[in-house]
Amino acid sequence: NAGVTQTPKFRILKIGQSMTLQCTQDMNHNYMYWYRQDPGMGLKLIYYSVGAGITDKGEVPNGYNVSRSTTEDFPLRLELAAPSQTSVYFCASSYSRGRGTDTQYFGPGTRLTVL
Amino acid sequence: AQKITQTQPGMFVQEKEAVTLDCTYDTSDQSYGLFWYKQPSSGEMIFLIYQGSYDEQNATEGRYSLNFQKARKSANLVISASQLGDSAMYFCAMREANTGFQKLVFGTGTRLLVSP
Repeated sequence: NAGVTQTPKFRILKIGQSMTLQCTQDMNHNYMYWYRQDPGMGLKLIYYSVGAGITDKGEVPNGYNVSRSTTEDFPLRLELAAPSQTSVYFCASSYSRGRGTDTQYFGPGTRLTVL
Repeated sequence: AQKITQTQPGMFVQEKEAVTLDCTYDTSDQSYGLFWYKQPSSGEMIFLIYQGSYDEQNATEGRYSLNFQKARKSANLVISASQLGDSAMYFCAMREANTGFQKLVFGTGTRLLVSP
């Protein structure tokens, strides 16, 4: 039982390049999330998904896209990378019954630098 | 207005002593949940403790307890008998019913250093 896995761990991109951050969970969780953490700050929600085929925007969705074709996978796509997207990206998942008591389990993070 | 406010950027405590990390929150919702997470230097986010707005008793998990004062909108984390391994960033977070409990909003964190 690996929990939430993310790849890659580190990546350096040039301005204007694109990439996909991968996230997989093996806990059969219905909810999945993408956050970014800027230096010295808390986490901010980028996108989330409440089930396969259903996604919605969080606080800071601009410059990102997501899809959720399976329960297990929730990739985050960066199009036209910008220096402002330099951050640590965390994927998380939880099993929610809609009451807000579910605990989110986080992946190890991806450290992305855009130069 | 900030949803979650953590006013202590850094805290120091000696090993074996107790420490309180402050968290105040802002919501007009009656139903909400409060969470504390620990982030060690390795970077992962570790869930510590949860308090629901309707819970009558303060949450406890081992050495962690939550001092929940609903009228003051505060949810302070108390760590008893601090250990060197408690040195980390600590984040308070909230989830509200008016967002379908789907969005977790984090504070900016408090860095705790435990000295021998």
